[in-house]
Amino acid sequence: EAGVAQSPRYKIIEKRQSVAFWCNPISGHATLYWYQQILGQGPKLLIQFQNNGVVDDSQLPKDRFSAERLKGVDSTLKIQPAKLEDSAVYLCASSLGQEETQYFGPGTRLLVL
Amino acid sequence: RKEVEQDPGPFNVPEGATVAFNCTYSNSASQSFFWYRQDCRKEPKLLMSVYSSGNEDGRFTAQLNRASQYISLLIRDSKLSDSATYLCAVFLSGGYNKLIFGAGTRLAVHP
Repeated sequence: EAGVAQSPRYKIIEKRQSVAFWCNPISGHATLYWYQQILGQGPKLLIQFQNNGVVDDSQLPKDRFSAERLKGVDSTLKIQPAKLEDSAVYLCASSLGQEETQYFGPGTRLLVL
Repeated sequence: RKEVEQDPGPFNVPEGATVAFNCTYSNSASQSFFWYRQDCRKEPKLLMSVYSSGNEDGRFTAQLNRASQYISLLIRDSKLSDSATYLCAVFLSGGYNKLIFGAGTRLAVHP
C-alpha cells in the first residue's frame, strides 16, 4: 500500500517569497493533517481536514499560511510571504478517521533565507 | 507549562543497556497515548500505543499512569538500531480531537 506522498522534499526560498507544498494521503483516508516541525521540537498541528472540510485550524498563522483540500483527497499548504522563522519540516499525515492512527509522509524541508 | 513534556536527553547508552523515557501531560482530557520513533531527517513512525494496563512489544514496554499523568517507555537490551528520537504523543478528545507531541528524547546507542 502506498504511503503518504509529499512534494517537494526540499525547498530553499528567500524571505517574503511564496512557497507551496503538496500532499497526497493514503487512499481512503478521510482525515488529513499538516504539521510544522521546527528543529529540536515535536510536530505541531497546523490544520486538520475531514474530507474537504476544515476541522481545526486554530494554530495556523492565517495572515500568511493557507491550506486547501478541495476534492477531499490531496491537499496544498501555502506560505505567502515566508519569514525566517518558517524554516522547518512540514509534515503531512493522514488517517482513516479523526481518532485513528496517523501515518506521516516524508515531509518537506523548508529553509527560508 | 507545555502540554506534553519529555526528558530532554540525549541518552547515550551502550548496546545491551536498559533505558527508560518518561513523558508527562497536563490535560486530563487526554484520551489516548502513543510513542513514535523518528530517525534523523525522517518522518515520525508509530512505535506503539500505550494502554492503561501497560503493554509490551518485544524489547519495548509502555506504561501509563493516569493519576500522575505520565507515560513511560522502557527499552531492554538496546541495539544500535534503536538510536533515534522518541516522541511521546497524547490524543486530546472532547471536541479537540488532536494529537499533541512532546519535543522528543534522543537516544544514542553505542557499541
